[in-house]
Amino acid sequence: EAGVTQFPSHSVIEKGQTVTLRCDPISGHDNLYWYRRVMGKEIKFLLHFVKESKQDESGMPNNRFLAERTGGTYSTLKVQPAELEDSGVYFCASSHLGVHEQYFGPGTRLTVT
Amino acid sequence: GNSVTQMEGPVTLSEEAFLTINCTYTATGYPSLFWYVQYPGEGLQLLLKATKADDKGSNKGFEATYRKETTSFHLEKGSVQVSDSAVYFCALSGGSGNTGKLIFGQGTTLQVKP
Repeated sequence: EAGVTQFPSHSVIEKGQTVTLRCDPISGHDNLYWYRRVMGKEIKFLLHFVKESKQDESGMPNNRFLAERTGGTYSTLKVQPAELEDSGVYFCASSHLGVHEQYFGPGTRLTVT
Repeated sequence: GNSVTQMEGPVTLSEEAFLTINCTYTATGYPSLFWYVQYPGEGLQLLLKATKADDKGSNKGFEATYRKETTSFHLEKGSVQVSDSAVYFCALSGGSGNTGKLIFGQGTTLQVKP
């Protein structure tokens, strides 16, 4: 069974540019989560999809961040326009419905210069 | 709201030393508790979990016991190896008002020297 995959593994962009991160969850996992770790601090929740619907987006920092999950499969997280403080590692995780155990992808390291 | 606090790092130990990484939590209801590990250059991996009070999670020689009376979930290993060098994250999920998202501590970096 393939694990959670994320693309790209690393992205370097200039302030004001746009970046789109992609996450492919484990097949059959209806829950999909996005998290972010900034500058060695704790990993913080961004949002949670159940299938294609946003269940909880309370962790999204502001309206420069837009997440979608087309057809309940893969998800994208767009940052537009990027700011310096958006730098960090963005993790995606997935799980079955009703299960708290989440499986994580390798993360995307975003550097905004 | 719910929160997790874990001991500051980095922690540096010699091989075969005893490891304890403290983790305490604040939560309403009955959350599940987890330890995740991130090895250098890799993603987060679930190390162990416990879903109710007094449960003991264990894996790869690591153990942690869900202590509701002290709201703790300390990670222990009797004899660490160089290959255990990684960042360890304590986390909780569930409990009242939680839709399943994980709430993490700040992470503890462990370095094991030969």
